Formats: sequence, structure tokens, C-alpha cells
Amino acid sequence: NAGVTQTPKFQVLKTGQSMTLQCAQDMNHEYMSWYRQDPGMGLRLIHYSVGAGITDQGEVPNGYNVSRSTTEDFPLRLLSAAPSQTSVYFCASNRLAGYEQFFGPGTRLTVL
Amino acid sequence: AQSVTQLDSHVSVSEGTPVLLRCNYSSSYSPSLFWYVQHPNKGLQLLLKYTSAATLVKGINGFEAEFKKSETSFHLTKPSAHMSDAAEYFCVVSDPGAGKSTFGDGTTLTVKP
Repeated sequence: NAGVTQTPKFQVLKTGQSMTLQCAQDMNHEYMSWYRQDPGMGLRLIHYSVGAGITDQGEVPNGYNVSRSTTEDFPLRLLSAAPSQTSVYFCASNRLAGYEQFFGPGTRLTVL
Repeated sequence: AQSVTQLDSHVSVSEGTPVLLRCNYSSSYSPSLFWYVQHPNKGLQLLLKYTSAATLVKGINGFEAEFKKSETSFHLTKPSAHMSDAAEYFCVVSDPGAGKSTFGDGTTLTVKP
């Protein structure tokens, strides 16, 4: 089992560029989430999904899009990158609501 | 709605002395509660979890936490700190009905030799 994988590990973008952060899990988990981590602010929820075809907004969804066409994959799209989106992004999955989350290794994104 | 407050942003202890990291939560349901640890430039690792079984929960590396419903608290403790415990610790609440988790802002634990 690879668990939760994220690509890329590092990315530098220019303001206005778009890109997709990839997240995949091989544990057949129904729930998947995207977080951003900024110093002193913990992890803040961007978007989450409770199953294939079902997504919902978290605490800080603006500027990000998600879709969930399969159980395994949950990509995060930055539509038009801004310096405020410089952060470390973590993807997580859990089997059911209220169960522990398994985290990917993170993607460090810098927007210039 | 669910929320979590970590009462200390920084805690400093000497090696061999007890550790106490405080966490209060708010939840509309019977929540699940977790503590995660993040070492510098690393990912997140589960320390322990409470899911409505025993109120005293034991985790990895000698950590434990007690769920106190009357105080809405889930404080993390360890009898004797080790240098390797220096890290960021996150308290997390998850309402089964909400389908999502909420993180506290984190507590940075420093262990002095």
C-alpha cells in the first residue's frame, strides 16, 4: 500500500498561472480532504469529498477547484495563482466520517 | 458547528519533566478527537484518538489524553519528555455528522536539555 500520495513535492508558479496538485489514495477510503498549512494557523480545510462525485467547500475555498470522479483521486486546481496561495498543501483520506485521517507528504507551493 | 482551541501556542519543558498540551473543543455531536504530531519539515503522524470508547486514551511514544465531556477538553500528556518529542502538535475534532475535521492552530513543544 502506498497510502496517500501527492505530486509534485515542490512547485514554483508565477502570479496568474494555473496548475493542478495531484492526490491519490489506494486504501479505498470514501473521504478525502485538502488542507493548506501556514505558519501559526494550523491546517485549514480547503475542500473535501465524502465520496466519488460529491465535494463540498471547507474554510478557505476561494481560488481553488476540486472534483472527484473516482474513489482514488482528488485533484486540487488553482485557477489563477496568487502570492497569498504560497503554502504547504496536504491531502488526507479517511475511511468514514470521524475516523482517523491519513496524510500525504505535502506539496510546497511558492507563487511569485 | 465544530471548533477546537489549543490553549498554548508554545510550551517549553526540560527533558525528563512532564508534558501537558491543552485542547478544548466544541461540537454539536459526540465527536471523535485526535492528536497529531508534525516534526520539522515532515508530514503528520497520528499520536492517539478518542472515538467514544475509554475516556483515557493511550497513544504512541508514551503519550496519553483524557476526554472530559463536562469540561469539553482533550489534553495531551506525557510523564517524561524526551528530546525527540520536540515538534508541532495538533488537536483535531471531527463530528461524524459533519464529514470533515477541524484542526487547532497547533502547539510548538520545545524540549530543553
